[in-house]
Amino acid sequence: EVQLVESGGGLVQPGGSLRLSCAASGFTFSSYWMHWVRQAPGKGLVWVSRINSDGSSTSYADSVKGRFTISRDNAKNTLYLQMNSLRAEDTAVYYCARWGHDYGGNAWFDPWGQGTLVTVSS
Amino acid sequence: EIVLTQSPGTLSLSPGERATLSCRASQSVSSSYLAWYQQKPGQAPRLLIYGASSRATGIPDRFSGSGSGTDFTLTISRLEPEDFAVYYCQQYGSSFWTFGQGTKVEIK
Repeated sequence: EVQLVESGGGLVQPGGSLRLSCAASGFTFSSYWMHWVRQAPGKGLVWVSRINSDGSSTSYADSVKGRFTISRDNAKNTLYLQMNSLRAEDTAVYYCARWGHDYGGNAWFDPWGQGTLVTVSS
Repeated sequence: EIVLTQSPGTLSLSPGERATLSCRASQSVSSSYLAWYQQKPGQAPRLLIYGASSRATGIPDRFSGSGSGTDFTLTISRLEPEDFAVYYCQQYGSSFWTFGQGTKVEIK
């Protein structure tokens, strides 16, 4: 079964740091781009960051650029998100998602992890 | 950055009715990179449609997607009780991924 399981969320003070992990199983992790997407309470989905299959290329939403770092360990089938200088507006459920594709050139997010809640508050 | 605008914000319908959800892009989007997701409370999003019109594995045929360029539509032909949820469109282009703000389909 293809599965993604996030961990590492919790309560952190403004200005603090947190590292999220996403453990992948059931597929060849090293063959896929991976992403983080977040959802503030009661709000919609917002793309945060992506990393290519070998970790050599990354990109970020403007709202987190310079504060968050995405990385991966293909030997451990694990995706990470290092979050520094956290702000109240970073409070959200953070999902990891696989960027899948087919031979027709179509691409999509699937599967998604169950999400991990990050709360930034004093 | 391409902005996706979904309408309506909320759709109030009864089981058995037809639901038509719209997703409009601020500039042309590749159909290959236009997808729809369903999200129920407390759950992760689930892929419904990819490539603007292809159903994902296990998705019932009452769900269909159409459109091209800047205008895309998700249609649910006959609403089942389990279809009441929030639906998001999503696109990829110019190294950025964006989602629409969502359409909530609620029971009338």
